[in-house]
Amino acid sequence: KNQVEQSPQSLIILEGKNCTLQCNYTVSPFSNLRWYKQDTGRGPVSLTIMTFSENTKSNGRYTATLDADTKQSSLHITASQLSDSASYICVVSMDSNYQLIWGAGTKLIIKP
Amino acid sequence: NAGVMQNPRHLVRRRGQEARLRCSPMKGHSHVYWYRQLPEEGLKFMVYLQKENIIDESGMPKERFSAEFPKEGPSILRIQQVVRGDSAAYFCASSPGRNTGELFFGEGSRLTVL
Repeated sequence: KNQVEQSPQSLIILEGKNCTLQCNYTVSPFSNLRWYKQDTGRGPVSLTIMTFSENTKSNGRYTATLDADTKQSSLHITASQLSDSASYICVVSMDSNYQLIWGAGTKLIIKP
Repeated sequence: NAGVMQNPRHLVRRRGQEARLRCSPMKGHSHVYWYRQLPEEGLKFMVYLQKENIIDESGMPKERFSAEFPKEGPSILRIQQVVRGDSAAYFCASSPGRNTGELFFGEGSRLTVL
């Protein structure tokens, strides 16, 4: 069964600290993996898209990794800011069709 | 560069009424997706449309819900005879093609059924 599992479900850290969010998937055939950020009450916004051949991709303080062999991805946030408080969603796209498999998201709370 | 536009942003309906949610995709995008999100939950796929065609409606309830994306004008998600359980945020996303990269989301339409 095609699934995307994220951990932890929720996370609270202090402002300025780093954190890492995990995404494990069992989607096949794999096309790409995306990380979205969803602020409360807003639509999701794409952070990164990673294809099979990409291991690491950075977008400012966000760095995503992908291990296609173990089917794992992580999103590392450096020097967290209050504005990083949001839900972070991992989405895997299946090759050969349009289907997207959505994770349930990790709710991140940054405390001052 | 206008993004995905959804309206209304907030809609209140009484049980039994109809709700119509509209979505104008980004310029040049011909693929539209509708998602539903309940409070404190993730996004759930409802329907995927291309201009004048429904590609996949496997996530849409069989009754009371319908969607269209006409040749001209916005995509419409229609909910007939709304019930309290329909209260949710409905998000629309668009893309330039099938599985061609990221989806661009609107800010959502929040439906409250009294």
